[in-house]
Amino acid sequence: SAVISQKPSRDICQRGTSLTIQCQVDSQVTMMFWYRQQPGQSLTLIATANQGSEATYESGFVIDKFPISRPNLTFSTLTVSNMSPEDSSIYLCSGSGQGAAEQYFGPGTRLTVT
Amino acid sequence: GEDVEQSLFLSVREGDSSVINCTYTDSSSTYLYWYKQEPGAGLQLLTYIFSNMDMKQDQRLTVLLNKKDKHLSLRIADTQTGDSAIYFCAEWTGGKLIFGQGTELSVKP
Repeated sequence: SAVISQKPSRDICQRGTSLTIQCQVDSQVTMMFWYRQQPGQSLTLIATANQGSEATYESGFVIDKFPISRPNLTFSTLTVSNMSPEDSSIYLCSGSGQGAAEQYFGPGTRLTVT
Repeated sequence: GEDVEQSLFLSVREGDSSVINCTYTDSSSTYLYWYKQEPGAGLQLLTYIFSNMDMKQDQRLTVLLNKKDKHLSLRIADTQTGDSAIYFCAEWTGGKLIFGQGTELSVKP
C-alpha cells in the first residue's frame, strides 16, 4: 500500500490570496489526482497530475485557478489561487499503488477562506 | 453518463450486520471501491472488487457485485461503534474515480 501525506493539514486564508498544498507519496505511483470535498459533500475530481507535463483538468476546473505541478513520481502540488470563501473545502490528494486497482488518499487539507 | 448513488443514512445496533448499497450507471467500470471517512479524517480504502468478480470477503467485510443490475453492496458483520463513519462507494471508469454521495452509518450501543 502507499502512504500519502499532505501539508498543510489545515489553513485559514484571506480572500484574494493563494495557498499551495503539497502531496508526498512514500513510493512511486503511476497516477496522482487532486479532489475537492466541499462541506457535507462527496468528492469531486479537480485534475489528474501528470508527471513532467500539464495536468488534465475536469470540467469546471481551470489551470489559472488550480495550477498543479508534478515534478516526479512521488510529489505533487496544488495551488488554490485568488481564493474566495467558495473555495473553503477539503482538498485531497490520491495516488495509485501497484496497478490502478489500489487508490489511496492523503489525509486532506482543510482550507477556510475568510 | 457516469453516476453513482447511495442512500444517505443507515442506523444499526451494535453487533448487528450493516448493509450499505450503491448503484452505478457506467457498465465499463473496471473496479468498484468502498472507502470509509471518519469525522475530520481523510478517506480510508476499505476494499475494492474487480468488475468480473461477484463477491469478495475480507474479515468482517463482504462486497457483493451484481453487474447486470449495476448494484454494489458492502456488508459489515458484527458492526461496532467504531464503524460509525461515512462510507463512500466509487467506480473507476475513464481513468478516474467517480464517487457516490456517501452513506452515514450510525451504530447505536
